[in-house]
Amino acid sequence: DVKVTQSSRYLVKRTGEKVFLECVQDMDHENMFWYRQDPGLGLRLIYFSYDVKMKEKGDIPEGYSVSREKKERFSLILESASTNQTSMYLCASSRTGNNSPLHFGNGTRLTVT
Amino acid sequence: AQRVTQPEKLLSVFKGAPVELKCNYSYSGSPELFWYVQYSRQRLQLLLRHISRESIKGFTADLNKGETSFHLKKPFAQEEDSAMYYCALSLNQAGTALIFGKGTTLSVSS
Repeated sequence: DVKVTQSSRYLVKRTGEKVFLECVQDMDHENMFWYRQDPGLGLRLIYFSYDVKMKEKGDIPEGYSVSREKKERFSLILESASTNQTSMYLCASSRTGNNSPLHFGNGTRLTVT
Repeated sequence: AQRVTQPEKLLSVFKGAPVELKCNYSYSGSPELFWYVQYSRQRLQLLLRHISRESIKGFTADLNKGETSFHLKKPFAQEEDSAMYYCALSLNQAGTALIFGKGTTLSVSS
C-alpha cells in the first residue's frame, strides 16, 4: 500500500517566518504534488513535480516554492509566511499516466498568526 | 476553459435514500474522470475512476459525454457514506494536470 507521509500534522507559525512542509512517498512514484484545501474552494494545485529536480507551477504558486532533490521527497517552502496562507496543505504522489490515481498524505494544518 | 463543476456544496439525505452527487465537466479532449472521497479525520483517497467501470462501496459513476457529466450514485445511502466528495478531471497523458471540483459534503442521517 502506498504511503505518503507529511512530516507535521499541525503547524503554527508567525507572519514572515520561512516555513518548510515536508512530504515523503515510498512507492517510487514519478509525480508529486502540493495542494491547499480550503472550505468552498476545494483543492487548488500549488506546484507539482514529474521528476527529480523538475518542478512546474500549478494554479496558485505565488508565495510558495518547492524542492525535489530526491525522488521520494517533495518539499513546499513558504518564503515569508502570511496569514492568507493559513490552510490545510495536502501532498500527493502518483505514477505517470492519466489513469493513475493520486495518493494523498494526511495533510498539514498550517496556521499563520 | 477546462473546469469541473460540483453544483452542490452540501447534500443531506436520510439513511436508505438514493444519493446522486453531481459532477459536470468542460473539456474538449477525451476525459479521464475520478471521484475522490475524504471521510472525517482520514486522508483524501480515490473512490473510483470511470475507466474501471467498477462499483466501490455501492457507488457507481457513469460518464455521459453528451451531457458532459460524471454523476456519482448510490441506491441506498448509509451513515458511513457521510464524507466530502471531489470530482476530478485529468487533462493529460502524464497524469500531472488534474482539475478538482470544489467538493460536495454528503451528510447521511438516520
